[in-house]
Amino acid sequence: DTEVTQTPKHLVMGMTNKKSLKCEQHMGHRAMYWYKQKAKKPPELMFVYSYEKLSINESVPSRFSPECPNSSLLNLHLHALQPEDSALYLCASSQHSAGKDLDTQYFGPGTRLTVL
Amino acid sequence: GDSVTQMEGPVTLSEEAFLTINCTYTATGYPSLFWYVQYPGEGLQLLLKATKADDKGSNKGFEATYRKETTSFHLEKGSVQVSDSAVYFCALSEGQGAQKLVFGQGTRLTINP
Repeated sequence: DTEVTQTPKHLVMGMTNKKSLKCEQHMGHRAMYWYKQKAKKPPELMFVYSYEKLSINESVPSRFSPECPNSSLLNLHLHALQPEDSALYLCASSQHSAGKDLDTQYFGPGTRLTVL
Repeated sequence: GDSVTQMEGPVTLSEEAFLTINCTYTATGYPSLFWYVQYPGEGLQLLLKATKADDKGSNKGFEATYRKETTSFHLEKGSVQVSDSAVYFCALSEGQGAQKLVFGQGTRLTINP
């Protein structure tokens, strides 16, 4: 089973709202990722968590706040977003091991976010 | 830095045609290479991968061979179906553990009946 789940599937929010995106995996993976994908573009990495610790932050604005409460769960807290933040937000996970063959990233279906 | 270059799209083919989507990469070390597919309105699905030179990844009739000498990982399928219509991304990652995936720009493929 290589399933990563994300909720909600769609989210519409105003610029003053606070909302959260949720990602879950039960594959025992110890690395989890947030990507942002604009229309007709490839995904862009935002954050990486390794063993529940933030290991990579790709200079993402502070209005995006990631959280990894446990090894199965990854959240992305959103506050004071701008219309240009509207995009598909993808979560991924990987095993995080010493073997290259085991570091494949598996993606969830994404949350389509619209900021009004 | 690392980069991935894919052939420009969109690509339109008739059903049962032969498909090639070119992908070349630039990397400092020995990356792992991937093809992901994204169907309309969905997330990315891993299609196939290769972790070392001369490895061939295959899945659902698609194949790609890791060519170190030409730094390429071209995607091929002998006979495409309408259901193969999607966006295809070539990607690489370097090192081990939790690493950034570097994506190509994506190639939109449309298969006509």
